[in-house]
Amino acid sequence: KQEVTQIPAALSVPEGENLVLNCSFTDSAIYNLQWFRQDPGKGLTSLLLIQSSQREQTSGRLNASLDKSSGRSTLYIAASQPGDSATYLCAVNDYKLSFGAGTTVTVRA
Amino acid sequence: SAVISQKPSRDICQRGTSLTIQCQVDSQVTMMFWYRQQPGQSLTLIATANQGSEATYESGFVIDKFPISRPNLTFSTLTVSNMSPEDSSIYLCSVVGAPKGVAGGWADTFGSGTRLTVV
Repeated sequence: KQEVTQIPAALSVPEGENLVLNCSFTDSAIYNLQWFRQDPGKGLTSLLLIQSSQREQTSGRLNASLDKSSGRSTLYIAASQPGDSATYLCAVNDYKLSFGAGTTVTVRA
Repeated sequence: SAVISQKPSRDICQRGTSLTIQCQVDSQVTMMFWYRQQPGQSLTLIATANQGSEATYESGFVIDKFPISRPNLTFSTLTVSNMSPEDSSIYLCSVVGAPKGVAGGWADTFGSGTRLTVV
């Protein structure tokens, strides 16, 4: 059974600082890995998808890396803004999505 | 890209009653997925709904408690039956699509969720 872990569980940074969010998974036989953002009481917003054959994916201030052999992915958010405050979830797709518990980010103005 | 409309967005229900949640997709999709997110926890897959066949339930979820309908390729419903306070959660549907602006290609798109409180 795929186990997905996200560290840290919560993170608080001043505006402008770079964010580093970690995700690890136990079974490397995956199709892809996805990062989502969830605002309080809301659904999920897709941020990035990394195919199993890729090493990284970039979108604006977001960059996600994937090291399948070690079962790790990292989401980098550059120059954080208060609007980045949310819970970030990673999900591993190995025929179905398995989610981590998320990292709750607070960016202080 | 697929856009999902999910309703209701929230509801407060009495224990012992049932609630049906609807998801409408703006394009035809083969599979739709239903998830539960209990308070403070991450998402757990309830079942996969295919058009024209019985839904496939994950371990710990049964059809009598969470009946699913999939009458066509753009619509699905999830019913939470005989509710108890333990069913208080956010319920989300999703499809595999191409969310606009998401780098990487085909990804899972989620509805906005239904926040259910059972009293």
